Amino acid sequence: GAGVSQSPSNKVTEKGKDVELRCDPISGHTALYWYRQSLGQGLEFLIYFQGNSAPDKSGLPSDRFSAERTGGSVSTLTIQRTQQEDSAVYLCASSFRTSQETQYFGPGTRLLVL
Amino acid sequence: AQSVAQPEDQVNVAEGNPLTVKCTYSVSGNPYLFWYVQYPNRGLQFLLKYITGDNLVKGSYGFEAEFNKSQTSFHLKKPSALVSDSALYFCAVRGLTGGGNKLTFGTGTQLKVEL
Repeated sequence: GAGVSQSPSNKVTEKGKDVELRCDPISGHTALYWYRQSLGQGLEFLIYFQGNSAPDKSGLPSDRFSAERTGGSVSTLTIQRTQQEDSAVYLCASSFRTSQETQYFGPGTRLLVL
Repeated sequence: AQSVAQPEDQVNVAEGNPLTVKCTYSVSGNPYLFWYVQYPNRGLQFLLKYITGDNLVKGSYGFEAEFNKSQTSFHLKKPSALVSDSALYFCAVRGLTGGGNKLTFGTGTQLKVEL
């Protein structure tokens, strides 16, 4: 079956612009996660959605970052007023539940802020 | 807080030789432990996980890992390495208490298998 898909695969933007990154989770997965992979920072958790519960936003680095998940499926990560330090690969993952279930990752969106 | 340590940035091994990629963790309570592999310009691929039960876990592509509670380790192993195993390997942990539902990753170990 189809895995997690993300778009765009690459995004180049200018400092100060807003960007939107999209994630389509595996069908039937109720949990969705965003992570960021950057040089020197490794893989870091950003935000987590589970069903209709309030999202866990504890990993968002600043208020310029936000995410939503519409209809319990597709999610959009928005970065406002991008900065050069936002350059990274943004990875989305999904799982059936949150406890023992494996998180399956998408290919990522590589963001470059000039 | 939960954390993962991968003490080796890079591991080099000759094809056909056994390989080990080390991982130690720190969590409150019992851990859920995972190994993922990342090939260049690709996302993370799941290899194996430990939830409960047998300490030796077998996963994809001939990899296995051994959970050692007393040493808080979860080293990844393969009896005979292949050149195609060359990739970046990440260990991750999720605690049952605290830490929420997020995975905390190690910094990654680059595995290079040479002919």
